[in-house]
Amino acid sequence: QVQLVQSGAEVKKPGSSVKVSCKASGGTFSSYAISWVRQAPGQGLEWMGGIIPIFGTANYAQKFQGRVTITADESTSTAYMELSSLRSEDTAVYYCARGSLHYDSSGYLQHWGQGTLVTVSS
Amino acid sequence: DIQMTQSPSSLSASVGDRVTITCRASQGISNYLAWYQQKPGKVPKLLIYAASTLQSGVPSRFSGSGSGTDFTLTISSLQPEDVATYYCQKYNSAPLTFGQGTKVEIK
Repeated sequence: QVQLVQSGAEVKKPGSSVKVSCKASGGTFSSYAISWVRQAPGQGLEWMGGIIPIFGTANYAQKFQGRVTITADESTSTAYMELSSLRSEDTAVYYCARGSLHYDSSGYLQHWGQGTLVTVSS
Repeated sequence: DIQMTQSPSSLSASVGDRVTITCRASQGISNYLAWYQQKPGKVPKLLIYAASTLQSGVPSRFSGSGSGTDFTLTISSLQPEDVATYYCQKYNSAPLTFGQGTKVEIK
């Protein structure tokens, strides 16, 4: 059974950065895409970007280009999402999710992490 | 980028009612369309993929249809446990855009 376990809640100052981790177990890590999806309070789901660990190259939603970096460490089956230049509007729950297709960045999101609340406040 | 538009944004229906949610893509996406259910305070859950394929374990009262640009999610007989927000998502290529969501409540 695939499980994605994310790091704990964070409180950050405006202008700083946050790095959230997502550790996978119970399945093949390297060949499936890991996506990051965020949800601001009371708002909908927003896809931020994704990575196929074995390829190491991420793609990002245009909205987050230049501010988000998604990486993956195959040796520990862990994906990371780092968001910089934080502002109050980045306060949200951040989810990682595994795609459904081998070696393909598209695909529906079958397995989800538990979510990580990031609060940006001075 | 392809935009995904859901309607309605919210609805209220009685237990046992048939409920239909629509999702429209701004360009054709074949059948690369998924539906997710998110209950309050919970993680999104995959309901349907490939526009009409029910994920394992999902009750058969849920069904999906459509292809190209127009898709529907139907709950044949609404149950109290179906109170949730439902999202469509295109997944043919990045960005994997979600619709804005449809909140379903019990009348």
